[in-house]
Amino acid sequence: EDQVTQSPEALRLQEGESSSLNCSYTVSGLRGLFWYRQDPGKGPEFLFTLYSAGEEKEKERLKATLTKKESFLHITAPKPEDSATYLCAVQANDYKLSFGAGTTVTVRA
Amino acid sequence: SQTIHQWPATLVQPVGSPLSLECTVEGTSNPNLYWYRQAAGRGLQLLFYSVGIGQISSEVPQNLSASRPQDRQFILSSKKLLLSDSGFYLCAWSTGQSQETQYFGPGTRLLVL
Repeated sequence: EDQVTQSPEALRLQEGESSSLNCSYTVSGLRGLFWYRQDPGKGPEFLFTLYSAGEEKEKERLKATLTKKESFLHITAPKPEDSATYLCAVQANDYKLSFGAGTTVTVRA
Repeated sequence: SQTIHQWPATLVQPVGSPLSLECTVEGTSNPNLYWYRQAAGRGLQLLFYSVGIGQISSEVPQNLSASRPQDRQFILSSKKLLLSDSGFYLCAWSTGQSQETQYFGPGTRLLVL
């Protein structure tokens, strides 16, 4: 069974204080790893897809990286508007995604 | 561009009452469609997915059912709601190609009392 574990559960940052979120996974035959951002009371918003170890993708202050066992989401110089829950999901040999419980990031001005 | 709609946005229902949540997708043809439930502090749980009209796969045994009466319409139903059915219900779509991204709707908050 596919397993996805995200850490930490919650992260409180000062504006401008860079940090990283971790997503470790166990899956037979990874086809893709996905990062989403979710604001309270809203549906998840797609951020990145990573397909193979060594791949990196960036969007504004966010950078996602992938190894054979985990992925990191780096937040550089965060702003209060980066406050959200960040979800990681893996896709194996079918259409289905297995999600982690998420990391809730709070950025204080 | 593609758009996904869900309604209602919020619903409060008594135990034992029926349920019907609707999801529609615009701007794409023959999408894969998904229903998820998200409980507080937990990850998204896949309930149903559909790769075409009339083709529904269930992931979790429960008192919920799903139907796909049209290509871009996905409905989640129950004949009798339980307290444990409370949660945030999300519909998602993907293109149906390998390694495709799933895009989520705004969600429906269901509270069963």
